[in-house]
Amino acid sequence: DAGITQSPRHKVTETGTPVTLRCHQTENHRYMYWYRQDPGHGLRLIHYSYGVKDTDKGEVSDGYSVSRSKTEDFLLTLESATSSQTSVYFCAISELASSYNEQFFGPGTRLTVL
Amino acid sequence: GENVEQHPSTLSVQEGDSAVIKCTYSDSASNYFPWYKQELGKRPQLIIDIRSNVGEKKDQRIAVTLNKTAKHFSLHITETQPEDSAVYFCAAIGGGADGLTFGKGTHLIIQP
Repeated sequence: DAGITQSPRHKVTETGTPVTLRCHQTENHRYMYWYRQDPGHGLRLIHYSYGVKDTDKGEVSDGYSVSRSKTEDFLLTLESATSSQTSVYFCAISELASSYNEQFFGPGTRLTVL
Repeated sequence: GENVEQHPSTLSVQEGDSAVIKCTYSDSASNYFPWYKQELGKRPQLIIDIRSNVGEKKDQRIAVTLNKTAKHFSLHITETQPEDSAVYFCAAIGGGADGLTFGKGTHLIIQP
């Protein structure tokens, strides 16, 4: 597996609380992505980054923000968690723009919002 | 944006038989089509991919075909084995740096 870690791996939180998930890579890849996976929906893109401080929205970005202050770290923040954000969150990285380069996934974070 | 449809949602085959999973995409600008395998509780793992300048690609027991005119691509697994049981996802992406658009997945069950 590519050098990608996610923390925490599991989290239970309450509605209305802020939550930050971290993705860390040791591959020095330029591109990083956050996806969520829900039964019946496959994986859906939340936000992505194409360099330090360069980020953009994906298909399901409402309620989420991201930051990338270093090449190796990409943070996903839920400012005020809701039950609809209960999901498994995957980070992915790729060396080049995704249209010509493979994306590799981290181990995932299972988030439960009560 | 891109839309990817994947069929069937569940596929059960006898061990040793072949399995075929089909996907269609909507954006004619899409040019990269990976397939991921995901076992229960694990991360998606890339198993094969194809780019728009190629019609077919093989890797041992798995192959992918692409029909750009019809905008569909398929995964073929021959001589299926118990370890092939998993959920398989197709995906597509165009020319930008944004992320993959995934199909909803196919649960492949290999019957002994």
